[in-house]
Amino acid sequence: DAGVIQSPRHEVTEMGQEVTLRCKPISGHNSLFWYRQTMMRGLELLIYFNNNVPIDDSGMPEDRFSAKMPNASFSTLKIQPSEPRDSAVYFCASSLEGSFEKLFFGSGTQLSVL
Amino acid sequence: ILNVEQSPQSLHVQEGDSTNFTCSFPSSNFYALHWYRWETAKSPEALFVMTLNGDEKKKGRISATLNTKEGYSYLYIKGSQPEDSATYLCALNQAGTALIFGKGTTLSVSS
Repeated sequence: DAGVIQSPRHEVTEMGQEVTLRCKPISGHNSLFWYRQTMMRGLELLIYFNNNVPIDDSGMPEDRFSAKMPNASFSTLKIQPSEPRDSAVYFCASSLEGSFEKLFFGSGTQLSVL
Repeated sequence: ILNVEQSPQSLHVQEGDSTNFTCSFPSSNFYALHWYRWETAKSPEALFVMTLNGDEKKKGRISATLNTKEGYSYLYIKGSQPEDSATYLCALNQAGTALIFGKGTTLSVSS
């Protein structure tokens, strides 16, 4: 298996633009997570899905952020409009369902909003 | 807000030294405690998942213990090597929640 695939690896955009981050989880995994990594907050959970259904989106910073999982093999995280404070590394991770299952992380998307 | 605390924030050791770090967490509603290893320019990779009080896990020179009653876990590295240099993250599962990560302990091992 290729592992969790994220795209793009790097994104540089200007303030106000829409940004879409993409994630393909490991085949057979039914839990998917979006995390954001910053120096100040570390690795913080944004949202997670079980069987394509959003379970907890309390970590989504504000209405500018939205996430979808239209099917078991694809998820998007969208920021509209983007702001400089959104600059961070965004990780997608997947796992089998259950608290005892380890997470497999993608390579991350380095987002810079100018 | 669920708080997972790790200490120290960073440390530097010499090759061959043994070291350990601490992860502290709320003991209520405990489900599982994970440890991840995160090398620079890579993604976090799972080391251990522990669920039972008194659990001990071992992988080569790295081991971990768990105390769910008092809310802490220790990660030990025996005979540190330069390739052990990384950030070590612990993460907590409470009932019905996703993994919440600590900020990590960054280990640097000099040869």
